[in-house]
Amino acid sequence: AQSVTQLDSQVPVFEEAPVELRCNYSSSVSVYLFWYVQYPNQGLQLLLKYLSGSTLVKGINGFEAEFNKSQTSFHLRKPSVHISDTAEYFCAVIYNQGGKLIFGQGTELSVKP
Amino acid sequence: SAVISQKPSRDICQRGTSLTIQCQVDSQVTMMFWYRQQPGQSLTLIATANQGSEATYESGFVIDKFPISRPNLTFSTLTVSNMSPEDSSIYLCSAGLAGDTQYFGPGTRLTVL
Repeated sequence: AQSVTQLDSQVPVFEEAPVELRCNYSSSVSVYLFWYVQYPNQGLQLLLKYLSGSTLVKGINGFEAEFNKSQTSFHLRKPSVHISDTAEYFCAVIYNQGGKLIFGQGTELSVKP
Repeated sequence: SAVISQKPSRDICQRGTSLTIQCQVDSQVTMMFWYRQQPGQSLTLIATANQGSEATYESGFVIDKFPISRPNLTFSTLTVSNMSPEDSSIYLCSAGLAGDTQYFGPGTRLTVL
């Protein structure tokens, strides 16, 4: 079955520290990969996406992610986080060029001073 | 990118009543979707809104409970029928092109008493 797994439900980190949010997906011939961020009481905002090409993708707010086909992973990273990065982060996948997104369970990033 | 608006932004409803949520996109898109986000949870796809035809529902969701319309490329409605407290959730509309980014509305926060 097609699924997306975010391995950490909560990630606490201190300000200016690096962070990695992990995402794995079930193997498929074709995948499009996305990371979205949801701030409290708001909708989802696209951080970055991988459709094809370079496996290292850069997004907004200094985030980047790397598509690793052999490990079926798409981990999100930021070298130095800010208090304002505190939010819920969702990894999502479109399988086989279909239309619908399948979401992971979400990771709550909490940045502390 | 597409800008998506939803109305209402929030509502408090009585058990047994129905609520219709509207979703408007500022550009023509091929795909529109409706999601439910229960408190503290990830997003679950309810259905794909198809222009001019019946929506395609995911397992566990039925047309009688969640009737959906999509009269044109930029507008869709979701009705939550015969509501119960278990329907209290955030309902989100998304839109985009097939196999590409989906953009999300701000969501409708529904509380059923």
